[in-house]
Amino acid sequence: DIQMTQSPSTLSASVGDRVTITCRASQSISSWLAWYQQKPGKAPNLLIYKASSLESGVPSRFSGSGSGTEFTLTISSLQPDDFATYYCQQYNTYSRAFGQGTKVEIK
Amino acid sequence: EVQLVESGGGLVQPGGSLRLSCAASGFTFSSYEMNWVRQAPGKGLEWVSYISGTSRTIYYSDSVKGRFTISRDNAKNSLYLQMNSLRAEDTAVYYCARDRDGVTFDFWGQGTLVTVSS
Repeated sequence: DIQMTQSPSTLSASVGDRVTITCRASQSISSWLAWYQQKPGKAPNLLIYKASSLESGVPSRFSGSGSGTEFTLTISSLQPDDFATYYCQQYNTYSRAFGQGTKVEIK
Repeated sequence: EVQLVESGGGLVQPGGSLRLSCAASGFTFSSYEMNWVRQAPGKGLEWVSYISGTSRTIYYSDSVKGRFTISRDNAKNSLYLQMNSLRAEDTAVYYCARDRDGVTFDFWGQGTLVTVSS
């Protein structure tokens, strides 16, 4: 099975900061990678699909890049609403493995 | 408006059974693949099971294979998860998620909590 590893596990940042989260796959997944945002007590919300495609309604400060085994999620200017946990997910195979999550905290 | 509403969660003893339901509305249910995903308290997301629109293709994670059964009723716009031989480690919020072709999980329900404890 494909394993997904995110880094860092926790990130402390301030409003206005540029934030980057990395996700690595244990084998190539082409561009079949998604990013989700989850807030406490809520379901995850899709941000990015196919590595770099922005889901409808998601602010343009979110962007994704990468292919193969290395991917990044970037928030260009962190807003108060962005403090949350972020997960990557591969969908190259039927077992849609998630990364362990990255919690973005207020500095 | 797309809506997914899970139900059926609750407290069950180890070794017991529970059936979760997910009621779908606002889209042509039979045209979409569906999944169950769970999240143990304070932990990350874990994919559980997948079912194609026709129910012809089904997959399970190794952690639930042989104990859980996914099914759907397209006439009732409903997705199900039959959970047998429940263990403490199955305690989690269970979400149903719509699978959009080429996109993955674009809509999620609000989740239903399953607690396995004596």
